[in-house]
Order: sequence, then structure tokens, then C-alpha cells
Amino acid sequence: SAVISQKPSRDICQRGTSLTIQCQVDSQVTMMFWYRQQPGQSLTLIATANQGSEATYESGFVIDKFPISRPNLTFSTLTVSNMSPEDSSIYLCSVGQGRLGVDEKLFFGSGTQLSVL
Amino acid sequence: AQSVAQPEDQVNVAEGNPLTVKCTYSVSGNPYLFWYVQYPNRGLQFLLKYITGDNLVKGSYGFEAEFNKSQTSFHLKKPSALVSDSALYFCAVSAYGNNRLAFGKGNQVVVIP
Repeated sequence: SAVISQKPSRDICQRGTSLTIQCQVDSQVTMMFWYRQQPGQSLTLIATANQGSEATYESGFVIDKFPISRPNLTFSTLTVSNMSPEDSSIYLCSVGQGRLGVDEKLFFGSGTQLSVL
Repeated sequence: AQSVAQPEDQVNVAEGNPLTVKCTYSVSGNPYLFWYVQYPNRGLQFLLKYITGDNLVKGSYGFEAEFNKSQTSFHLKKPSALVSDSALYFCAVSAYGNNRLAFGKGNQVVVIP
């Protein structure tokens, strides 16, 4: 199984600022994802982080607000830009391992608890 | 589009009794189905999955789930619940060959000693 290190684990930020969250994996992985878990709600996929190309964003999420980098197969960052209190959430990095259609599954980082004042 | 419904907000069960957490899904094509558990102050952990084959899937910590195609359900079960099973449980679905998961809203399971 993949070991995922995500940091910071939590942060309190001021409105209008930006925060970059880092995700480091202990092995090379093809699939990396960023999820958001808002208070009392389920996980929502923000985007797929693609190595060497632009991230693929889900409906409702845009690159200007959530720029993502994926410089190699073990690392990715998610930036939450121009933050507002509505961005207060847990942000989770996730990686997919295994053979597509056979034994694939996702592993999750411990998350970043973000509070925006 | 793919979606998951977990109809109950909270499931209360006495320790030693059977535990069932319900999940129904909607997806175009063959479904990949998953259960994840989130313990307090910890990250999500994989419990089990169904991709193909036997409809009854066995996973971690004594949990199992049954895939029912006609009812589009994937209920999570455990024959005898433990207090340590108290956690938040998420059902998730993905279309075939797609790692992009749609999660249900989650069910809080409370096992009463």
C-alpha cells in the first residue's frame, strides 16, 4: 500500500490569501487526486492531477481557484487561492494503485484541515 | 453520471449484534464499488471493493458486502459489531476503468457497549 504524507495537517488563514497543500507519496503512482470534505458532508472530487500536463477538473472547480501541480510521479500540490470562509474544509490527497479493472483501489492522505477567517 | 445514496445518517447497534450499513448506487456501465471507513482524527481507510466475480466480498476487520445488481445495492455488513467499529463509513462508486470515485454522504455508526 502507498504511504501518503500530506502537509500542512491544518492551517488557519485569512480571507483573500492563498494556501498550498503538498502531497508526497512513497512510491511512483500514475493516478493522483484531490478531494474536498466539507463539514458534515461527503467527499467531493476536485480534480485529477496529471503528471506533465494540466489537471483535469470536475464540474464546479476551476484552475484559477484550485491550481494544481504534478511535477513527477510522487508529488503534487493543490493551492486554494483567494480564500473565503466557504473554502473551510478538509482537503485530501489520494492515489490510485493496482491494475485498472483488476485490483485498483485508492489510498488517502490524512488530510489538511483548513479554516478561513 | 455516477452517484451513491446512503439513506441513513446514523446507525446505532448494540455490541455483538449484526451491523448493516446501506448503500445504493447509480452508474453508467459496470460499477466499481467501494467501502471506506474514517475513524476520528484519522484519514480514510479502504475496507473492501467489488469489481467483478463473487457478489459477496470480504474485507478488512471482519466486514463484508454483497453486490446486488438488480437492486443496485452494495450493503456493508458485519456479523457481530465491536465498539471499536464506531466510525464514519463511506460507500463509493466508479464507472468501469475509472478511478474517479463518487462518494455517498457517509453513515455514522455508533456501537453501544
